Amino acid sequence: ILNVEQSPQSLHVQEGDSTNFTCSFPSSNFYALHWYRWETAKSPEALFVMTLNGDEKKKGRISATLNTKEGYSYLYIKGSQPEDSATYLCAFMDSNYQLIWGAGTKLIIKP
Amino acid sequence: NAGVTQTPKFQVLKTGQSMTLQCAQDMNHNSMYWYRQDPGMGLRLIYYSASEGTTDKGEVPNGYNVSRLNKREFSLRLESAAPSQTSVYFCASSEEGGVFDEQFFGPGTRLTVL
Repeated sequence: ILNVEQSPQSLHVQEGDSTNFTCSFPSSNFYALHWYRWETAKSPEALFVMTLNGDEKKKGRISATLNTKEGYSYLYIKGSQPEDSATYLCAFMDSNYQLIWGAGTKLIIKP
Repeated sequence: NAGVTQTPKFQVLKTGQSMTLQCAQDMNHNSMYWYRQDPGMGLRLIYYSASEGTTDKGEVPNGYNVSRLNKREFSLRLESAAPSQTSVYFCASSEEGGVFDEQFFGPGTRLTVL
């Protein structure tokens, strides 16, 4: 059974501080790694799709890196703002092109 | 453009009752998915449909059936609900289900089975 782990489970960050969290996934048979953002009372929305080892993606203050050889991805948020409060999900694409999801990191920004 | 819609938003069932969760997308996507989301766990795939006319089991299909009625609609049926099926159910769609395709989610259905 493929396992995708995210850490930490939750994180409190002061507004203006930068933060990062981790997604660990199987390092064999890698196809893609997806990051999604899930705000309370809304649906998950895609942030990044990453496919190549060493890939870096950026969207505004949010960026992500990918290491497929060791099986991890980091999501970084620079200068956190209250609107960044959400649960961040990562998902590993398996050989059937289905997404195996982590449980998420819940980020709370304290003003 | 509504994206992915789901009905109902909330439902309470008694053990043994049946119900169908409806999902529709207006993005002309080929692939559609049903997930369940339980506290402390990642989204788990129940069934998916790679294209109109095809359906396949996901990670947790037991106790569920699906119908891909047409390209737009993908329904999930619980024939005899059990308390273990208390969960939040999400429908999603993607263009082709390929490596780069992001999934678009509906608002979810919160189901409680007593």
